[in-house]
Amino acid sequence: AQTVTQSQPEMSVQEAETVTLSCTYDTSESDYYLFWYKQPPSRQMILVIRQEAYKQQNATENRFSVNFQKAAKSFSLKISDSQLGDAAMYFCAHPPPVQNFVFGPGTRLSVLP
Amino acid sequence: DGGITQSPKYLFRKEGQNVTLSCEQNLNHDAMYWYRQDPGQGLRLIYYSQIVNDFQKGDIAEGYSVSREKKESFPLTVTSAQKNPTAFYLCASSGREGNEQFFGPGTRLTVL
Repeated sequence: AQTVTQSQPEMSVQEAETVTLSCTYDTSESDYYLFWYKQPPSRQMILVIRQEAYKQQNATENRFSVNFQKAAKSFSLKISDSQLGDAAMYFCAHPPPVQNFVFGPGTRLSVLP
Repeated sequence: DGGITQSPKYLFRKEGQNVTLSCEQNLNHDAMYWYRQDPGQGLRLIYYSQIVNDFQKGDIAEGYSVSREKKESFPLTVTSAQKNPTAFYLCASSGREGNEQFFGPGTRLTVL
């Protein structure tokens, strides 16, 4: 069975600082996708960043970047220059071949002014 | 504007009543999904459908039913057999394999 683990239930970061959220996953596939989603207090799920496993280069979207370690099955999210609006639940997700996603349990990020 | 709509945003029902949650998408996506989210927890898959007139059970399908008569629509019925139906329900859709899922705004169901 596919599993996704987020070992940090809660994290906090000072505004303008950098924070890294951890995610590990289990898969037997060689080519696959990984995602980070953000769920703010509105509860709308928002895609933050996507990584394709066959790409060597780590994905980057503005202040958000990933550290993808395929051999270690690790997919961490780095948020630079943290802003108050980054406060949310963050979910790591991995779709098995049949398209349904497996989501991690989430990390609640607080941003301190 | 393309997107996913869910209605209603809030829903209250008495115990023992069936209730149907609406999910519509105009993204021309083949696949659609229903998730349940309990307070402070992640998303658990209830049902998913990869094509019209076909759907599969997810991890927590007991007490729920779905239909997929049109590509755009994937309604979820919460039946009286669901022991603890109070939760936040999210609908999603996706296109090609591996593409991200797009989510609706969710429905908060409270059973009194």
